[in-house]
Amino acid sequence: TQLLEQSPQFLSIQEGENLTVYCNSSSVFSSLQWYRQEPGEGPVLLVTVVTGGEVKKLKRLTFQFGDARKDSSLHITAAQPGDTGLYLCAPRNTGNQFYFGTGTSLTVIP
Amino acid sequence: KAGVTQTPRYLIKTRGQQVTLSCSPISGHRSVSWYQQTPGQGLQFLFEYFSETQRNKGNFPGRFSGRQFSNSRSEMNVSTLELGDSALYLCASSLETSGGGNEQFFGPGTRLTVL
Repeated sequence: TQLLEQSPQFLSIQEGENLTVYCNSSSVFSSLQWYRQEPGEGPVLLVTVVTGGEVKKLKRLTFQFGDARKDSSLHITAAQPGDTGLYLCAPRNTGNQFYFGTGTSLTVIP
Repeated sequence: KAGVTQTPRYLIKTRGQQVTLSCSPISGHRSVSWYQQTPGQGLQFLFEYFSETQRNKGNFPGRFSGRQFSNSRSEMNVSTLELGDSALYLCASSLETSGGGNEQFFGPGTRLTVL
């Protein structure tokens, strides 16, 4: 079983603020995906990172894969109410299967 | 193109009963994976089917089983339901096996409540 930790577990911020959520593990992963899940819906893929140190940007969202491929972060600039949701990281292990963290529940208050 | 559909959306059962959930993947997708989502454990992988064959299996008891049909539609079955089986069951489809890093498209889930 992979040990995967996402932090913080809950986050409530005002519209316009910046935030960073983290995904950490003691294992090395070949790649990692970030998903966002809104209430009543299934998760939707945001990005896949593959190379250690890789940085990807998706509008106001910036994703980084750690140099050692054991951790990742998601930074949101100028958060908007539409960013509200559960953010899940899903690293892929050597068994070629994705595992999901318990997620960070983000609420952006207008 | 229609997304992944799951039926039913909500289900209430009592302990000891069995349940069957259905998933229709996106047209052309051959891989279907099932996940259990609970507040405490997050999303946990149940199993993956690819071209009617189980490719991967998570750490769940034998009460949880599944199958895939020739049209890629999949069903999962849970027998002898326990209170702890109450969860959101998500189905995800992808073009090829999910282990290849291909994007998974999730359905809205089936909310199962066991009383």
